[in-house]
Amino acid sequence: LAKTTQPISMDSYEGQEVNITCSHNNIATNDYITWYQQFPSQGPRFIIQGYKTKVTNEVASLFIPADRKSSTLSLPRVSLSDTAVYYCLVVTGGGNKLTFGTGTQLKVEL
Amino acid sequence: DSGVTQTPKHLITATGQRVTLRCSPRSGDLSVYWYQQSLDQGLQFLIQYYNGEERAKGNILERFSAQQFPDLHSELNLSSLELGDSALYFCASSGPYGTGDVNYGYTFGSGTRLTVV
Repeated sequence: LAKTTQPISMDSYEGQEVNITCSHNNIATNDYITWYQQFPSQGPRFIIQGYKTKVTNEVASLFIPADRKSSTLSLPRVSLSDTAVYYCLVVTGGGNKLTFGTGTQLKVEL
Repeated sequence: DSGVTQTPKHLITATGQRVTLRCSPRSGDLSVYWYQQSLDQGLQFLIQYYNGEERAKGNILERFSAQQFPDLHSELNLSSLELGDSALYFCASSGPYGTGDVNYGYTFGSGTRLTVV
């Protein structure tokens, strides 16, 4: 199972773009990368998932370089409500469990 | 509403007691996962069921057990409770093939907060 490393915390201001990078050097061929957001006392919420290159949805973008050893979650124009813990996970295809690390605590200020 | 329903939302019980937490997965999902989240341990995977069968086991204590019923709802049984079992317990479900969907991943419920006194 590929181990992930991401910053423990990040600070930003409203309206800024936030990029959270995650490294996963031992990612396997059939692994994909997924990101979750968690607010205090709530269950994690799926943000985005990708295998390679770039994926974009209505809330975020995910950039994955060709070697797939890292990925970057990009949150455009953050607001106070984006203050949360963001988890980067590597998941093996086939319905395996999600293994959460410590995540990145993002704090957005005015 | 994520589509995953967990009951009860809160539970306060005494040490040594036994409780049952219930989870109804999102409609159509066959896999159910249980997680424990405490302040000092983060999100810990406990156990996974797929269509009624145990599929994976994590850091689940012998005092804990789970099952998934034919209607796909799952129950997590915690017995001989200790103060250290106080935590948030989350249930998640995933797609009909047991995999996370590219658009919505694995869906988590809002959790059961267990307090052991």
